[in-house]
Amino acid sequence: EVQLVESGGGLVQPGRSLRLSCAASGFTFDDYAMHWVRQAPGKGLEWVSGISWNSVSIVYADSVKGRFTISRDNAKNSLYLQMNSLRTEDMALYYCVKRGPNREFDYWGQGTLVTVSS
Amino acid sequence: QSALTQPASVSGSPGQSITISCTGTSSDVGGYNYVSWYQQHPGKAPKLMIYDVSNRPSGVSNRFSGSKSGNTASLTISGLQAEDEADYYCSSYTSSGTYVFGTGTKVSVL
Repeated sequence: EVQLVESGGGLVQPGRSLRLSCAASGFTFDDYAMHWVRQAPGKGLEWVSGISWNSVSIVYADSVKGRFTISRDNAKNSLYLQMNSLRTEDMALYYCVKRGPNREFDYWGQGTLVTVSS
Repeated sequence: QSALTQPASVSGSPGQSITISCTGTSSDVGGYNYVSWYQQHPGKAPKLMIYDVSNRPSGVSNRFSGSKSGNTASLTISGLQAEDEADYYCSSYTSSGTYVFGTGTKVSVL
């Protein structure tokens, strides 16, 4: 059974940093690209960033480019999102998402909540 | 990276069919057959319902079907059931190598 468990969310002041982690299990982690998708309270889904299986290809949404860094450790079956210079508009539930063999998001974690407030 | 356009809400009676549209551009929906659809119940993570425009993952009811014409993709739910009441989002791969989601549609079963 595929499991994606996010951690690292919490309350942080604007301008500060936070690092999210995602522990993956139930599939061969280094065979698949992984992504982060976020959802602000009461709002829709927003794609944030994605990383290929071998970390060669990395892409970001314009809204986070230059502030967020995605990475992965295949030896630890883990995905990360380093978030710097956080803004109030970054406040959201952040989902760790597995990309399927095509270009779909086939498995989602339960999310970790990031609150940005002074 | 503008969000794909979906109707805010769609409703139908049990047993009826409804269709949700998802309009993008030639740089996303119209340019690739990489449109997928997700169902999200309140307080839950999204669930994949359709991928590659019209393919259903194993375990998803055949009451859900997808199609695309030009820059607009569509999700049809036939034989509407109470459990189908949820938010639905489309998503597309883009020419920038990124992804974009739709604005979301709330489906109500009357």
